[in-house]
Amino acid sequence: SQTIHQWPATLVQPVGSPLSLECTVEGTSNPNLYWYRQAAGRGLQLLFYSVGIGQISSEVPQNLSASRPQDRQFILSSKKLLLSDSGFYLCACHFNTEAFFGQGTRLTVV
Amino acid sequence: KQEVTQIPAALSVPEGENLVLNCSFTDSAIYNLQWFRQDPGKGLTSLLLIQSSQREQTSGRLNASLDKSSGRSTLYIAASQPGDSATYLCAVRPAGSARQLTFGSGTQLTVLP
Repeated sequence: SQTIHQWPATLVQPVGSPLSLECTVEGTSNPNLYWYRQAAGRGLQLLFYSVGIGQISSEVPQNLSASRPQDRQFILSSKKLLLSDSGFYLCACHFNTEAFFGQGTRLTVV
Repeated sequence: KQEVTQIPAALSVPEGENLVLNCSFTDSAIYNLQWFRQDPGKGLTSLLLIQSSQREQTSGRLNASLDKSSGRSTLYIAASQPGDSATYLCAVRPAGSARQLTFGSGTQLTVLP
């Protein structure tokens, strides 16, 4: 079965600092990978998805970027964080049309 | 554009009750629908996946139904327990080449002992 690892679990960063969140997947090859953000009391917003190494699609304009340097690795980055980047970030893998999620990273920008 | 709505936003029931959570979607051209559970501060755990050709799926005390033509799905929880307390999210995958899920905002369930 698929296992998705996300780290760190929580992160507090000052405004203007860089960001790097990492997601790795076990148990499958060539997965479709996704980054979502979840605001309090709201549904999940898709930020980026990737169908293969080096292939990134962005769903919304924002201060963030994503990269996929390896088949099972998906990274969410920012050069300079904004207060509005605070939220709960989830990495997901779609396998056989079913979605599996990591445990999330709680990012607080102060 | 697909929109997914979950009603109610919050629900509190005494232990042992059977309950139904609702999910509706505006575009019936879906590939499948998935129900998730989310505990506070945690990721999403997949509960049930219903393909567009299916009417329902069951897992233990959970039963999910799908009426694609009317744009509705329900999650039935039998004999609720305090451990069922969580937020329940539904998500639909569109038919065709698109892969993105559209999520509802969830129903926050509290089962009182």
